[in-house]
Amino acid sequence: DQQVKQNSPSLSVQEGRISILNCDYTNSMFDYFLWYKKYPAEGPTFLISISSIKDKNEDGRFTVFLNKSAKHLSLHIVPSQPGDSAVYFCAASAIGAGNNRKLIWGLGTSLAVNP
Amino acid sequence: NAGVTQTPKFRVLKTGQSMTLLCAQDMNHEYMYWYRQDPGMGLRLIHYSVGEGTTAKGEVPDGYNVSRLKKQNFLLGLESAAPSQTSVYFCASTDKQGAREQYFGPGTRLTVT
Repeated sequence: DQQVKQNSPSLSVQEGRISILNCDYTNSMFDYFLWYKKYPAEGPTFLISISSIKDKNEDGRFTVFLNKSAKHLSLHIVPSQPGDSAVYFCAASAIGAGNNRKLIWGLGTSLAVNP
Repeated sequence: NAGVTQTPKFRVLKTGQSMTLLCAQDMNHEYMYWYRQDPGMGLRLIHYSVGEGTTAKGEVPDGYNVSRLKKQNFLLGLESAAPSQTSVYFCASTDKQGAREQYFGPGTRLTVT
C-alpha cells in the first residue's frame, strides 16, 4: 500500500510558466516532507523540505506547500527552466522504531520543461 | 569532499554469482542506507545502518546482506544473484539527526542474466 502517492507520472510545461507537482500521503504520523530531483544516471539530490508545523517553505524558484488536513503537498517551480527537466520524488518521514527515521518515497513525476 | 561514492558503476552478473557493492562517504555521517530503484516502483529501502557496526533490515532485505565495519563504508552483498535483483542500487547517508536530507551516491546499475 503506497503511503506516499504521486499520481501524475509525467508533466510537461512551457519554459517560463509554473510547474506544479503534487503529492498525497496517507500516514498522519509523517512530520517532515522532502522533494528530491533526479537526473538520468545520477542519484537523487535534495531540493526542498517542509516540517509539518509549517504550511509553506520557499527557496528561490521553488516553493513547497503543505495542507495537513488534506494530507497533500505540492511543489511549485516558478519560472520553469529547461534545466528543471528531471524526475521529482516526494518523500515523507516519521519517527519509527528505535527513535530512527526512515524516508517513504513516492514513485516520482517526470517533468519536461519545453523551450 | 567527494560526498557519497559507489563502486562499481555498472556490473553484469550471471545467475548464482556473488558480488559486493561498496558505498563510501566522507561527511562523517552516522546513518547509511541502501535502496533499489525499479521502473514503476520508486525507491525501496533494502538495509540501513544507524552507526558503525550496526545494520537493520529495510523494506526489501531478502537476498541481500550488509556490513558497516567502518563508519565511512557500507557494503551491500549479493550471495547468489537472481534476475529479480536486476536494478539500480543507490546508497545514501545522513547525519545523526536521522533521515531528513539524505545524500545519495550516483548509483550502480546491476544486470543479472
